[in-house]
Amino acid sequence: AQSVAQPEDQVNVAEGNPLTVKCTYSVSGNPYLFWYVQYPNRGLQFLLKYITGDNLVKGSYGFEAEFNKSQTSFHLKKPSALVSDSALYFCAVRGGSGGYNKLIFGAGTRLAVHP
Amino acid sequence: GAVVSQHPSWVICKSGTSVKIECRSLDFQATTMFWYRQFPKQSLMLMATSNEGSKATYEQGVEKDKFLINHASLTLSTLTVTSAHPEDSSFYICSASEPRAPNQPQHFGDGTRLSIL
Repeated sequence: AQSVAQPEDQVNVAEGNPLTVKCTYSVSGNPYLFWYVQYPNRGLQFLLKYITGDNLVKGSYGFEAEFNKSQTSFHLKKPSALVSDSALYFCAVRGGSGGYNKLIFGAGTRLAVHP
Repeated sequence: GAVVSQHPSWVICKSGTSVKIECRSLDFQATTMFWYRQFPKQSLMLMATSNEGSKATYEQGVEKDKFLINHASLTLSTLTVTSAHPEDSSFYICSASEPRAPNQPQHFGDGTRLSIL
C-alpha cells in the first residue's frame, strides 16, 4: 500500500537558519510528489511538486525540495527561515496502486520559527 | 492561478440540523472534486471523491447517508451533513483537480469549520 511518512511532529528553528522538513514515501512505480502548507483555519496552499526531471525542485516563498529515489525521500528545505514560515506542512503523493487521482497525505509537520 | 472557493467558512448550528457546504472551482472545470475532513492537529482524511454527473465514491468507513455529495455541474460540488451531531464537528476541506492533469496539484478551498452544539 502506498504511504507517506513525516517523521517529525514539530520542527523548531531560529529565524535566519536553514530549515528541513522530512518526508519519505512508499509507492510503487513513479510517484508524483507534492508539498503543501496550511495556516490556521485555512485550506492547503501548494508549495511545489516533483513529477520528473531535475531532482531539486524550487517552489513558492523560497522553498525547495530534493527528490531522492534511492532513499525514497522528498525533504522540504529553505536556506533562511522566516517567522512567517511558521505553519503546518504536508507532504503528499500520487501514483502507485492507488492511481494518479487521489492524493495520499503525510501526518503533517508543524514548523515553528522563533525570532 | 486556479482558485477553489468554499462556503461557508464557519457554521455553528444545533444538533439535528442538516448543513450544506459548497465547493466551487472558479476558473477551471473540475470533473473531480474531493472532500476531506481534518481533526485538530491531524492530517486530512479523504472522505469521498465527487465525480461530475455520477455518484460519489466514498472511502471505507464514511457513511454515505450521513454525508451526501452532489456534483451537479463542472464547477460545483456540495457536501451535506445530514442530521448533524456534535461528533460531526470538524474542519471540512474540499479540493479540485483539473481534468486529465494528474501532474498538476489539487487546488484547495479554505475549509469550513463546522461546530454542532
